Amino acid sequence: DAKTTQPNSMESNEEEPVHLPCNHSTISGTDYIHWYRQLPSQGPEYVIHGLTSNVNNRMASLAIAEDRKSSTLILHRATLRDAAVYYCILRDGNNYGQNFVFGPGTRLSVLP
Amino acid sequence: GAVVSQHPSRVICKSGTSVKIECRSLDFQATTMFWYRQFPKKSLMLMATSNEGSKATYEQGVEKDKFLINHASLTLSTLTVTSAHPEDSSFYICSARGGISGQGGKNTEAFFGQGTRLTVV
Repeated sequence: DAKTTQPNSMESNEEEPVHLPCNHSTISGTDYIHWYRQLPSQGPEYVIHGLTSNVNNRMASLAIAEDRKSSTLILHRATLRDAAVYYCILRDGNNYGQNFVFGPGTRLSVLP
Repeated sequence: GAVVSQHPSRVICKSGTSVKIECRSLDFQATTMFWYRQFPKKSLMLMATSNEGSKATYEQGVEKDKFLINHASLTLSTLTVTSAHPEDSSFYICSARGGISGQGGKNTEAFFGQGTRLTVV
């Protein structure tokens, strides 16, 4: 599996934007970039995913570098509820049955 | 979005007893379900992959006789922790994917249950 690297932790102030980086220098052409987050004592929750183009949804935006070797998850206005561990995961689009391989993720703290 | 329900959310059992955890896909047929285990402050670790109607595939180091997985229908998979011991105390999470209408297949998101916190005393 192509590997991702993320900072262990980040801090943000409430109502400010947050940029969570992810490096995936060995990404292959068929790998999709997925972001999940895990709130305390809950299962992971889907945030966003993309292949090449930037993506926006009601939760966040995903900015993908032109060479696809890195991406950034953008939370436009952090709230206390956004405090969670954020996982950046690559998944081969040609392997439908593949499981999601979780790295350590980034633990985001949001300060009031 | 699709919902995966996991039950119970929390269970305490005595050492030596067995515990069953259920994972249900509520609005889609899950041809494949995954079972993960998570220790405090650690990431999720895949335990096994189950496909409906066939035997589960276990990851290296996971005892298949201890962690029994049954995926008898397209909407239900169960994980039974047999003869539980305190070291089996952990957070267990299931994930489901399948033929969700309108979402194609190749890049479909996975849907996770809310997790089960098992404490063996």
